[in-house]
Amino acid sequence: EVQLVESGGGLVQPGGSLRLSCAASGLTFSSYAMTWVRQAPGKGLEWVSSISGSGRSIYYADSVKGRFTISRDNSKNTLNLHMNSLRAEDTAAYYCAKGWTVTMEMDVWGKGTTVTVSS
Amino acid sequence: QSVLTQPPSASGTPGQRVTISCSGGSSNIGTNYVYWYQQLPGTAPKLLIYKSNQRPSGVPDRFSGSKSGTSASLAINGLRSEDEAHYYCAAWDDSLSGWVFGGGTKLTVL
Repeated sequence: EVQLVESGGGLVQPGGSLRLSCAASGLTFSSYAMTWVRQAPGKGLEWVSSISGSGRSIYYADSVKGRFTISRDNSKNTLNLHMNSLRAEDTAAYYCAKGWTVTMEMDVWGKGTTVTVSS
Repeated sequence: QSVLTQPPSASGTPGQRVTISCSGGSSNIGTNYVYWYQQLPGTAPKLLIYKSNQRPSGVPDRFSGSKSGTSASLAINGLRSEDEAHYYCAAWDDSLSGWVFGGGTKLTVL
């Protein structure tokens, strides 16, 4: 069974940094694209970033471009999201999800980790 | 303002058929597949429909998806109380080079 477990969320001050991780199991990790999706409290889903299985193709939402960096370590079955210059509007539950390719369905999701940006 | 447009709410009584619409544009729904996700309260989204009209294993055949031009819809037949959830449509957008989601539809089973 494929499992995705996010970690690294917490409370951070505006302007601060945080690194989220997503540990994957039950799959050949390098064969799948991975995506981060976030959901602000009481709001809908917002795509954040996607990375191909090899790591060579990377995409970002305009709202995070230049501040967030997605990466993956296929030897450790881990996906990361480095978040810098955090703003109050980055407060959300962050989910990692796997897909066959970057442009195809996100078919398995983790339970999410919560990021709160506040002073 | 979401790139894909969904009604904010929908409702029905047990046993009824409900449809939820999703409107987009030529660079997303018009060119690519549509996906539907169900999010029960307090849980992560779950894939409900992929490639516009395909159901993953384990999803009841009460759920069906369709796409025409730049619009798509999700139909739920034989509505049940456990279907009460938020439903989101999604598609890859070639112009934005990213995923776009609808704002979500809260389905209430009366």
